[in-house]
Amino acid sequence: DTGVSQDPRHKITKRGQNVTFRCDPISEHNRLYWYRQTLGQGPEFLTYFQNEAQLEKSRLLSDRFSAERPKGSFSTLEIQRTEQGDSAMYLCASRGTADNSPLHFGNGTRLTVT
Amino acid sequence: AQSVTQLGSHVSVSEGALVLLRCNYSSSVPPYLFWYVQYPNQGLQLLLKYTSAATLVKGINGFEAEFKKSETSFHLTKPSAHMSDAAEYFCAVSEIPFGNEKLTFGTGTRLTIIP
Repeated sequence: DTGVSQDPRHKITKRGQNVTFRCDPISEHNRLYWYRQTLGQGPEFLTYFQNEAQLEKSRLLSDRFSAERPKGSFSTLEIQRTEQGDSAMYLCASRGTADNSPLHFGNGTRLTVT
Repeated sequence: AQSVTQLGSHVSVSEGALVLLRCNYSSSVPPYLFWYVQYPNQGLQLLLKYTSAATLVKGINGFEAEFKKSETSFHLTKPSAHMSDAAEYFCAVSEIPFGNEKLTFGTGTRLTIIP
């Protein structure tokens, strides 16, 4: 169990640019989640995958955001035409199939849009 | 809809004193409840979880929490604070057994330990 891995740890981009983040979950976990955390707030749910299927998306996930998990293993989160309001920590988490299996979080990708 | 309220965005205690972080939840079904800890520039680490078994739950680093249905509370305690406990603590609720995979977090409580 090497934990949930996220890449990059930090990303600085200019407004209007596209960015992509990667998440590698714990290998045996079939459920994968993306959360966003802004300064002084708790994480907010963005989207959830079971295997390769994206089963739920938050209204926070505007049309500029897209997430994929093509083979049911790693996932990517892309933000197009970034805005300053997109600056936040993007957290990925995974969990196993049992109902009482908790979420295991990665260390996050901190995005700064200038 | 499920929600969590954490009373007190900042809590300061002296080293060796009791730590009490408050969490109240709202859920339309029997919930699962969690406490996570976050150190600066890191992700969240699970401290403990309540998943409908024993109401008093013991976690890592000497923390424990008690589920009280009548008070809709899940407060986090530790008998004796240590300097290494300084961090941000988040309470969270989920309704996973009822098909709601979304974990809803409170706004967090920053714990400061006074030497």
